Amino acid sequence: QVQLVQSGAEVKKPGASMKVSCEASGYTFTAYYMHWVRQAPGQGLEWMGWINPNSGVTNYAQNFQGRVTMTRDTSIATAYMELSNLRSDDTAVYYCARGPPLSRVARGAFDIWGQGTMVTVSS
Amino acid sequence: EIVMTQSPATLSVSPGERATLSCRASQSVSSNLAWYQQKPGQAPRLLIYGTSTRATGIPARFSGSGSGTEFTLTISSLQSEDIAVYYCQQYNNWPPYTFGQGTRLEIK
Repeated sequence: QVQLVQSGAEVKKPGASMKVSCEASGYTFTAYYMHWVRQAPGQGLEWMGWINPNSGVTNYAQNFQGRVTMTRDTSIATAYMELSNLRSDDTAVYYCARGPPLSRVARGAFDIWGQGTMVTVSS
Repeated sequence: EIVMTQSPATLSVSPGERATLSCRASQSVSSNLAWYQQKPGQAPRLLIYGTSTRATGIPARFSGSGSGTEFTLTISSLQSEDIAVYYCQQYNNWPPYTFGQGTRLEIK
């Protein structure tokens, strides 16, 4: 079945970097956009950006410009999201989510979600 | 940036009754509107896309309507398993894709 499996929880110190992985299975990894969304404790959903797994082209939310890097390894159908210079307010669950097919120019809902990765930033 | 506003923040409905959740966009998003359901400790799940199309496996009691700036998610007969937080999302004008703040649905 179609699924996204993310890496495990992390605890980081302020100023450090984090890198979350998202392994796709059950579909053609390079045919669909991959988004990253985060959710702070008790809060709503915040979109961080997307990557085109075929070309590697990315599009980041302005709030994360300069701190976020999204990459992929097509040989293992895995997307990565790295966030640097972590602050306490980066404590959140980070999700990867499949977007529409590449033919839809990123205009589409997020139909498959990973299980989430809890990242805690604390000194 | 398009701001999505959901109402009410919390909705209490008796089992078997209808639940109506609202979502307003700060400018037109055409029909590019999705609804997600999130249960405690779980990832969001896509319910509705394109304003009114149910995602795979979503029961027929869930329906979406609206266009432009005003949208509605209706659960025709509330079941206990529908207790969750519901989010609307626009994907018409990006970046960024934006979500509403959520409506918490409770059993009365």
